[in-house]
Amino acid sequence: EVQLVQSEAVVKKPGESLKISCKGPESSFFSYWIAWVRQMPGAGLELMGIIYPSDSDTKYSPSLQGQVSISADMSISTTYLQLTSLKASDNAMYYCARAVAFGEFSGYLDSWGQGTLVTVSS
Amino acid sequence: DMVMTESPATLSVSPGETVTLSCRTSQHINNDLAWYQQKPGQPPRLLIYGASLRATGIPARFSGTGSGTEFTLTISSLQSEDSAIYYCQQYNVWTFGRGTKVDLK
Repeated sequence: EVQLVQSEAVVKKPGESLKISCKGPESSFFSYWIAWVRQMPGAGLELMGIIYPSDSDTKYSPSLQGQVSISADMSISTTYLQLTSLKASDNAMYYCARAVAFGEFSGYLDSWGQGTLVTVSS
Repeated sequence: DMVMTESPATLSVSPGETVTLSCRTSQHINNDLAWYQQKPGQPPRLLIYGASLRATGIPARFSGTGSGTEFTLTISSLQSEDSAIYYCQQYNVWTFGRGTKVDLK
């Protein structure tokens, strides 16, 4: 199991942007895909996208393409999820997870970060 | 689009009982299915991948079966710490089911 450590909870106003982080172990960070998963209050799980930090190859969920941005900084073994023009509907817990990925856009998630709660409120 | 149907939505069981959760997919997915457990205030945890393979550290009382479009997660001798929401996820486009909540009586 890989330990992934996420940034702290954040409160933002509508229209603002945010960038949350997920730090993994330096020893193996380059060899895994990392996924970002959204969980709205009282709801299920939705994968937003995945990134391969080694070359920043990124793939997004077709339903969320253009709404989010995922990036990575290999020098500090960290991936980022950026959300812009925040709305109340962005209120959610956001998880990063190590993705065991196959093919074009498929796989499962075998280690999870602790989650970052995002609150959008005026 | 792929539709994932988990049933029942909620289950109330006594410790020691055996629980069977169902996950059906609208398209054949071979054995490309995973199961996760999520307890309140915690991130999900991978239980099963490849429909029947237990993840590292998962107790043997958790077992997964199925192939094609019908899958089951069985929890034998339910323990108090098994109270949680269980999600299935099919690999393609990483689609999750809505989850089954398991409560202990």
